[in-house]
Amino acid sequence: DIVMTQSPLSLPVTPGEPASISCRSSQSLQHSYGHNYLDWYVQKPGQSPQLLIYLGSNRASGVPDRFSGSGSGTDFTLRISRVEAEDVGVYYCMQALQTPLMYSFGQGTKLEIK
Amino acid sequence: EVQLVESGGALVQPGRSLRLSCVASGSSFDDDAMHWVRQAPGKGLEWVSGISWNSVYIGYADSVKGRFTISRDNAKNSLYLQMNSLRAEDTALYYCAKDRGFGGMDVWGQGTTVTVSS
Repeated sequence: DIVMTQSPLSLPVTPGEPASISCRSSQSLQHSYGHNYLDWYVQKPGQSPQLLIYLGSNRASGVPDRFSGSGSGTDFTLRISRVEAEDVGVYYCMQALQTPLMYSFGQGTKLEIK
Repeated sequence: EVQLVESGGALVQPGRSLRLSCVASGSSFDDDAMHWVRQAPGKGLEWVSGISWNSVYIGYADSVKGRFTISRDNAKNSLYLQMNSLRAEDTALYYCAKDRGFGGMDVWGQGTTVTVSS
């Protein structure tokens, strides 16, 4: 099974400053067609999770462009160029490569405002 | 836009069974894979099970394999999770989520709570 490991688990950030979350997988998430099957989600307090980034680097509909995803293979990064108060929440990476359907999430990274 | 509403959560004794449902409204979901994801109290997200649009491909987390069964009825825009031999560690908020078809789960329900306790 593919194991996802995030760091840090806690991330205090000053508003206006950048933030970065790392996600590593125990196996490559790159499909033979070249896409990386790695998604990023955020769960804001009291809400259901929402999709931020899919296939490693593609912003989901309505996601501000201060969010970006990068990486390939086993190492991925979610970056927020300038953190805003509304970005508070827990951020998860998730692999969607393993077949048959067997996805898995990272432990989550709690972003809080300093 | 699709909206998802889960139901069926309850307080149940260990070893008993429960069936969760998720109904999609606003748009047909029969082109999309669907998933169940759960979140134990104070814990992170755990992918539980997924099913392709035509039910040909099905997968389960190791923690539920052999006990849970996912199914769907596209004519009723409905997704189900049959949970047998429930354990205390199955206590969680269960979300259903729609796969966008090429990366990511883009629509989530509000969740239904399952509590397994004697």
